[in-house]
Amino acid sequence: RKEVEQDPGPFNVPEGATVAFNCTYSNSASQSFFWYRQDCRKEPKLLMSVYSSGNEDGRFTAQLNRASQYISLLIRDSKLSDSATYLCVVNTGFSGGSQGNLIFGKGTKLSVKP
Amino acid sequence: ETGVTQTPRHLVMGMTNKKSLKCEQHLGHNAMYWYKQSAKKPLELMFVYSLEERVENNSVPSRFSPECPNSSHLFLHLHTLQPEDSALYLCASSQDLPGADEKLFFGSGTQLSVL
Repeated sequence: RKEVEQDPGPFNVPEGATVAFNCTYSNSASQSFFWYRQDCRKEPKLLMSVYSSGNEDGRFTAQLNRASQYISLLIRDSKLSDSATYLCVVNTGFSGGSQGNLIFGKGTKLSVKP
Repeated sequence: ETGVTQTPRHLVMGMTNKKSLKCEQHLGHNAMYWYKQSAKKPLELMFVYSLEERVENNSVPSRFSPECPNSSHLFLHLHTLQPEDSALYLCASSQDLPGADEKLFFGSGTQLSVL
């Protein structure tokens, strides 16, 4: 099983649509979770951290289910500018106990059409 | 502008060449990273440095050699690469090693082609 798996893309949606991305992770000892956004030919940028209680930032809602090892990202009222690849990221730590081992999923491509 | 600068942006090299990638961060961060991003594959962590000490080397071939002379600079020395090493190489930094809210700031990357 891959360490971080995401929905296969691409997702093609009209403006104004609601779209949800899912992500599962294999390491139950994972400590923290994030969604990053990567525009075409650009570097990844942090979109939001994901907390156990769920968190919202404007049109974006992230949820974490530790029991199921599952993370989600919901985008409401999609904009053209939301078109990008969304990367699920899990911090598992290293075998020696150090933090910093951020494992990235392959990403899910979103294309929002007019 | 994320505060992390990578040079060069593009690099084409032969398999017998030696080249170096440079990364500089202007954010006062303590941790720096090299990631590799190949087409249709997730970002792969290559090296992590915290306070100029290497924390982890994720089984990267010895033809990739990192160097962190100070907390603001990170190099990736390349020699006798293979065509399958062609990829986007991303440098990143964070205040400290990522915990619950630590976020990575990425440079724009070096697109490397090995002929």
